Amino acid sequence: NAGVTQTPKFRILKIGQSMTLQCTQDMNHNYMYWYRQDPGMGLKLIYYSVGAGITDKGEVPNGYNVSRSTTEDFPLRLELAAPSQTSVYFCASSYLHPAGIYNEQFFGPGTRLTVL
Amino acid sequence: ILNVEQSPQSLHVQEGDSTNFTCSFPSSNFYALHWYRWETAKSPEALFVMTLNGDEKKKGRISATLNTKEGYSYLYIKGSQPEDSATYLCALMYNNNDMRFGAGTRLTVKP
Repeated sequence: NAGVTQTPKFRILKIGQSMTLQCTQDMNHNYMYWYRQDPGMGLKLIYYSVGAGITDKGEVPNGYNVSRSTTEDFPLRLELAAPSQTSVYFCASSYLHPAGIYNEQFFGPGTRLTVL
Repeated sequence: ILNVEQSPQSLHVQEGDSTNFTCSFPSSNFYALHWYRWETAKSPEALFVMTLNGDEKKKGRISATLNTKEGYSYLYIKGSQPEDSATYLCALMYNNNDMRFGAGTRLTVKP
């Protein structure tokens, strides 16, 4: 298993440009998450999904959109990039068993995004 | 949903010392508490998932306890080694599936 993969690893955007950060997991996990990590701030949840076709806002969703058309993929879209979106973005997945047994999150390697 | 607090922010210990740090939270209305280990230039890796008051987990020299009534979890490292140097993150999964992370405790173990 490759686990959680993210592309690209690095990207520089100009203000107002748009882009999609890709995230794929091959573990058949039902839950997927997008976080951003700013220095000294820990991880902030942007959006999450509990299954294909279902997405919900996290703590800092403004300026982002997501979709979950398949179990494997959970892309994050930035429509109008702003300097405040300069950050490291992590995708994660986990599995919640139907019996309510909850497992840990597995993280991707991250995407470092700079908006100039 | 309220913030997850971790203390101390950073910690420097000598090799062989035992140490512990705290994750505190104001509400017991959560589904699970996670501890993650995050090494520089890598991704966070799970240490423990805790769900019950009084829960205790152990993995090698690292252990954790959870007290939902008092609103805290402790992570203990016995006989710290330089390879334990990392940031240790605490996170709560609330009943609506929202996840909130603390800012972490950065541990440095000096040889």
